Amino acid sequence: EIVLTQSPDTLSLSPGERATLSCRASQSVNTYLAWYQQKPGQAPRVLIYDASNRATGIPARFSGSGSGTDFTLTINSLEPEDFAVYYCQQRRNWPLTFGGGTKVEIK
Amino acid sequence: EVQLVQSGAEVKKPGESLKISCKGSGYRFPSHWIGWVRQMPGKGLECMGIIYPGDSDTRYTPSFQGKVTISADKSISTAYLQWSSLKASDTAMYYCARDNQQDGFDIWGQGTMVTVSS
Repeated sequence: EIVLTQSPDTLSLSPGERATLSCRASQSVNTYLAWYQQKPGQAPRVLIYDASNRATGIPARFSGSGSGTDFTLTINSLEPEDFAVYYCQQRRNWPLTFGGGTKVEIK
Repeated sequence: EVQLVQSGAEVKKPGESLKISCKGSGYRFPSHWIGWVRQMPGKGLECMGIIYPGDSDTRYTPSFQGKVTISADKSISTAYLQWSSLKASDTAMYYCARDNQQDGFDIWGQGTMVTVSS
C-alpha cells in the first residue's frame, strides 16, 4: 500500500497570504495524484487531478505541482473560504489511499 | 445536474445489519466507478472500495475486505454499502463518490452518518 504523508499538520496563515502544502508518497505515483478540500460539515471536493490540473470551477489561485514522490499544493492569496482541510490522494496503485490531511487555519 | 444522493442518517445497535444507498443522476451511472469513503469522527478519509455498476466489478481495500459488502443495481442507478453485524467502531460518516479515473473523485454524495451504540 502506498502511504501518503502530508505536512504540515496545521498551517496558520492570514487572508491574502500564500499557503504551501506538501504531500510525499512512499513510492512513485507518477502524476496520479489528486488534491481535495473539505470544509466542516461538507463532503470533500476535488481541486487538482493528475498532480497539476485544476478541476472544473476551481479558481486559478489553486495550483498543484510535482511528480514521482513529492507534490505541492499552492494557494496564492488565501481567501476566507479557503480555510479548510486539504487531502492528497494517489491512484497509481490499488488500494487508493489518502494522506492524513493538512488543516489551513486562520492566524 | 450530475449528483449523488445518499440515504439518511442511521442509528443502530451493535450486531445489527445495515445497508445504505447512493443514487446517481444526471450521467450514465453504469459507466463510472463509484467509491465508498469512510471518515471516522475527527479523522481523515479512507477509501473502502469501488464498484463498476455496469458489471458489478468490485475492489476492496484490504482493511475493509470481509467487513463490508459493496453492490450496485444499475437498473435504478444505485450503489450500496452494507454490514452484516455492526460494531461501535463502524460509527462514521460514509461518502459515496464518482471515481472519474484520472479526474479523481469528482462528484460526492452528501454523506450518510452511521452511529452504532448500545
